[in-house]
Amino acid sequence: RKEVEQDPGPFNVPEGATVAFNCTYSNSASQSFFWYRQDCRKEPKLLMSVYSSGNEDGRFTAQLNRASQYISLLIRDSKLSDSATYLCVVMGQAGTALIFGKGTTLSVSS
Amino acid sequence: SQTIHQWPATLVQPVGSPLSLECTVEGTSNPNLYWYRQAAGRGLQLLFYSVGIGQISSEVPQNLSASRPQDRQFILSSKKLLLSDSGFYLCAWSVGGNGGYTFGSGTRLTVV
Repeated sequence: RKEVEQDPGPFNVPEGATVAFNCTYSNSASQSFFWYRQDCRKEPKLLMSVYSSGNEDGRFTAQLNRASQYISLLIRDSKLSDSATYLCVVMGQAGTALIFGKGTTLSVSS
Repeated sequence: SQTIHQWPATLVQPVGSPLSLECTVEGTSNPNLYWYRQAAGRGLQLLFYSVGIGQISSEVPQNLSASRPQDRQFILSSKKLLLSDSGFYLCAWSVGGNGGYTFGSGTRLTVV
């Protein structure tokens, strides 16, 4: 089983839509989880951390299910500027470095 | 505020040539430093990480090496590049063990 798995997409949605991305991870001992955003040919940038109780930042909501080793990201009221690749990220087994999923591509159209 | 610098932004090198990519961090002390590579159509792969001067951990055996001669400087090197070394090389830093990373703007390397 890969350490972090994501559906690569692409997800093609109209402006204003709600879209959800899912991710699974293999290390049940992982303690830190994040979502990063990567624009085409740019470096990844931290979008938000993911907390056990779930957390929200504006239109973005992240959820963590430790029992199922599952992480989700919900984007409400999609904007054109949300078009990017979203990377699910988990602290590695040794607790020393982050392990990145391959990303899910989102394309928002008008 | 903390900033991270990587250069060059793009690089085209012939097979068998050497490589040296440099990354520097400003505005913080004793950061954890990381080198990742993103090959075309693939996810980010951790290459090396360092928790202090002279301390390098390698994640993937290959013809690359890393060094940390100063607290805020991290260098990625190769003596002889292979075609498979092409990719987007990203340096990142963090402070502490469980926080997110901040990435530099990356170097896009093409080996021809």
